[in-house]
Amino acid sequence: GESVGLHLPTLSVQEGDNSIINCAYSNSASDYFIWYKQESGKGPQFIIDIRSNMDKRQGQRVTVLLNKTVKHLSLQIAATQPGDSAVYFCAEKPDSWGKLQFGAGTQVVVTP
Amino acid sequence: GAGVSQTPSNKVTEKGKYVELRCDPISGHTALYWYRQSLGQGPEFLIYFQGTGAADDSGLPNDRFFAVRPEGSVSTLKIQRTERGDSAVYLCASSLGGTLTETQYFGPGTRLLVL
Repeated sequence: GESVGLHLPTLSVQEGDNSIINCAYSNSASDYFIWYKQESGKGPQFIIDIRSNMDKRQGQRVTVLLNKTVKHLSLQIAATQPGDSAVYFCAEKPDSWGKLQFGAGTQVVVTP
Repeated sequence: GAGVSQTPSNKVTEKGKYVELRCDPISGHTALYWYRQSLGQGPEFLIYFQGTGAADDSGLPNDRFFAVRPEGSVSTLKIQRTERGDSAVYLCASSLGGTLTETQYFGPGTRLLVL
């Protein structure tokens, strides 16, 4: 289940189960959204992206869902593995170029 | 293929000192970004370069922060008169041209601690 830790919400998932990570974005004009994975001591790593003219996009073991009506993104990870343990950030691009605006992040902990 | 590299990986300095943080983007990437990440938070945008020029510096917190990219490749983030509140991980990212759907590739960051 989910719990709020000192700094980040934490999602504990049993190995092999599916994970769902949620994110609320702020700018209704944003046209592009990305999920990043960040392991301890490393920079964010691109996972998957989606344009605002889509509501679903699938990658390898990951699916991103976009609900523009309520400004909500979710990342689904199928058959979660120990290597999926990390902090996951959603990001939006409020302009057609340049900066990313990141959400607060969710810590995913995969238990055996 | 080399990714984005940042030096130093860690920097400890005293309050009031000047620091320089370096970023080497992926070869051929014209767009370069600096972000700052505090513990438990997502990266916050600082500045974006397109080639040699700063296309957007709206995220720089104050005039103690400055960044350059004189030859359109390596960039240096400069912080004057450091304060304890500047302690954070400074991340650099690059992308091919800066357009909407281009992936931004991040370096490992420089961990700055101001004592």
